[in-house]
Amino acid sequence: SQKIEQNSEALNIQEGKTATLTCNYTNYSPAYLQWYRQDPGRGPVFLLLIRENEKEKRKERLKVTFDTTLKQSLFHITASQPADSATYLCFSGGYNKLIFGAGTRLAVHP
Amino acid sequence: DAGVTQSPTHLIKTRGQQVTLRCSPKSGHDTVSWYQQALGQGPQFIFQYYEEEERQRGNFPDRFSGHQFPNYSSELNVNALLLGDSALYLCASSSLLRDSVSNTEAFFGQGTRLTVV
Repeated sequence: SQKIEQNSEALNIQEGKTATLTCNYTNYSPAYLQWYRQDPGRGPVFLLLIRENEKEKRKERLKVTFDTTLKQSLFHITASQPADSATYLCFSGGYNKLIFGAGTRLAVHP
Repeated sequence: DAGVTQSPTHLIKTRGQQVTLRCSPKSGHDTVSWYQQALGQGPQFIFQYYEEEERQRGNFPDRFSGHQFPNYSSELNVNALLLGDSALYLCASSSLLRDSVSNTEAFFGQGTRLTVV
């Protein structure tokens, strides 16, 4: 079945470092992937969208890549700050069923 | 411009009861999707409505049904509630792109926390 997998282990990094989160998809080829941020008890907030024909997308301190050969998207936060601590969700849609990964919790320590 | 609004914010129901959750999409959006999110897990897609019809559906039983009104607002109904239905229910609004395949970015509401006892 179509699946999105994210690292379930929390990622702990030091302030100022680059956080890299991974999203792997199996058994389908999404036309695009989206990344969302979710804080506890709140709905997800959209961050970035990348299409299958785009290798990389940037927005301020955020960068996302899309590798259709590896069936993987990487999400980077540069110069991370404690305020970046949250759960980050990978999502794909279109004619495929709308699928979220389970999310990776990021903790940025001062 | 109000974003996506959901009501109620919290709800406690008894097993076997029925519940209706409501969602008003962001202005200008015509598509509403519903998700169930259990604690510590990612949102699970329930169904999506566009032009008052169910466009896509996830792996949820028929106890879960929905409706979209002409003003694009939507309801999620769950019948014969089970303890396992306890979760955060999220509504997301978006617009279908002209190719009618892809969705634009989705805007989520704060969710309705449903507890079944």
